[in-house]
Amino acid sequence: AQSVTQPDARVTVSEGASLQLRCKYSYSATPYLFWYVQYPRQGLQLLLKYYSGDPVVQGVNSFEAEFSKSNSSFHLQKASVHWSDSAVYFCALSSTGGYKVVFGSGTRLLVSP
Amino acid sequence: EAAVTQSPRNKVAVTGGKVTLSCNQTNNHNNMYWYRQDTGHGLRLIHYSYGAGSTEKGDIPDGYKASRPSQENFSLILELATPSQTSVYFCASGVGTGGNTGQLYFGEGSKLTVL
Repeated sequence: AQSVTQPDARVTVSEGASLQLRCKYSYSATPYLFWYVQYPRQGLQLLLKYYSGDPVVQGVNSFEAEFSKSNSSFHLQKASVHWSDSAVYFCALSSTGGYKVVFGSGTRLLVSP
Repeated sequence: EAAVTQSPRNKVAVTGGKVTLSCNQTNNHNNMYWYRQDTGHGLRLIHYSYGAGSTEKGDIPDGYKASRPSQENFSLILELATPSQTSVYFCASGVGTGGNTGQLYFGEGSKLTVL
C-alpha cells in the first residue's frame, strides 16, 4: 500500500523568511513524488515532481524539494516566501505504473507581513 | 486549450437522491481520477480509471460508483446520497506512462451539499 503523510496541518512564516513543508511517504518501490499547490476555490496545480536522479528538484516560483530514500521524505523548500505563496500545499505519490496517485492531507501555509 | 471540466460546479441534493458528477478532459490522457476533499483529510481517492471501459476502486469507494464510457468522460455516481457525502469533489486526468507519469491535471471542483 502507498501512503503520504504531511505532519503539519498549518505553517505560518513571515514574509521573506525561509520555508520547509514536510512530507513523508510509504511505498515499497521507488516512488514518483509530486508537490501541488491549491489557491482558494481552485483546483490543484503542479509545483514540481521527482522521478529519479538528482534528489533536489526545482519547481515553479523558486520552490524546490529534496528526495531522501533513507528517510522516506520529500520536503518542499523555498528560500524566501512572498505573501502570494499563502495557499494549501499537497504532497502526492504515484505508483510506478502511474495509475494510482495518493495525496497527503495538505499543509496550509500562511505568510504574514 | 487542454482542460479538465467538471459539471455541475455546485449541487444541492436530498438524502436518498441520485447524484451524478461529470468530468470531461481534452488532454487525451488515459487515466482519470475522482477525489473528494475534506478539511483534515486532504484529497482522498474514490475511483480511478486507466482507459475507456475500466474503473478501479480507490481508497474510499463505498457509496460511490464510477463510469468511463469514453476516453474523454468519467462520471461519479452517488446512487443514494447521504449527508456524509457532502464535500468538494475533484476530477483529474493523467498519463500512465512516459515522461509525465503520475502527473495530474485537475478540474476546478464540484461542491456537493446533501441535505
